[in-house]
Amino acid sequence: KAGVTQTPRYLIKTRGQQVTLSCSPISGHRSVSWYQQTPGQGLQFLFEYFSETQRNKGNFPGRFSGRQFSNSRSEMNVSTLELGDSALYLCASSTEGAGETQYFGPGTRLLVL
Amino acid sequence: AQSVTQPDIHITVSEGASLELRCNYSYGATPYLFWYVQSPGQGLQLLLKYFSGDTLVQGIKGFEAEFKRSQSSFNLRKPSVHWSDAAEYFCAVGAAFSGGYNKLIFGAGTRLAVHP
Repeated sequence: KAGVTQTPRYLIKTRGQQVTLSCSPISGHRSVSWYQQTPGQGLQFLFEYFSETQRNKGNFPGRFSGRQFSNSRSEMNVSTLELGDSALYLCASSTEGAGETQYFGPGTRLLVL
Repeated sequence: AQSVTQPDIHITVSEGASLELRCNYSYGATPYLFWYVQSPGQGLQLLLKYFSGDTLVQGIKGFEAEFKRSQSSFNLRKPSVHWSDAAEYFCAVGAAFSGGYNKLIFGAGTRLAVHP
């Protein structure tokens, strides 16, 4: 099976802009989670989607949002970008969710100037 | 609150030497525990996981980890390190709830350097 794919791999934006990142899970996986990785804060959970519903959300401002489509593909959006949003954004997929292994994509590296 | 502590930020070992990376967790119930490895600029690769049963779990690339409930620890070990093992290692606890959703809580990571 193909692994988790994320597009784009690299992105440069300026403050105030918005950005959309995409994630395609492993075939058959219905749960998609997003994480932000920064040198200062480490790996932090953003949110999880299952069957097009957000089930869990981390402690991030409302500028961070996401959605999941009927084919389980997911997007996350960050509006009004700030310098501190520069990070590696990782997507992970799993089967039913609860306690199942999450498999990670290669990430999208976002740089905000 | 759930948390994961990796006490060692950086570890340097010689190639061929043994390795132990420490991980302590705080979680109210029986945890789901994971070790992931990340090479520079890459995503996370699962090394091994513990859900229940045998407390010594085997993973890929010759790694193993032992779950010790009394110590709230899940240390990662490898008997002989290879230069290609140089990477960052993350311990994580999976917080599962009755609602079925889950999230991973990660430690800060341990960066491993391997000397030839």
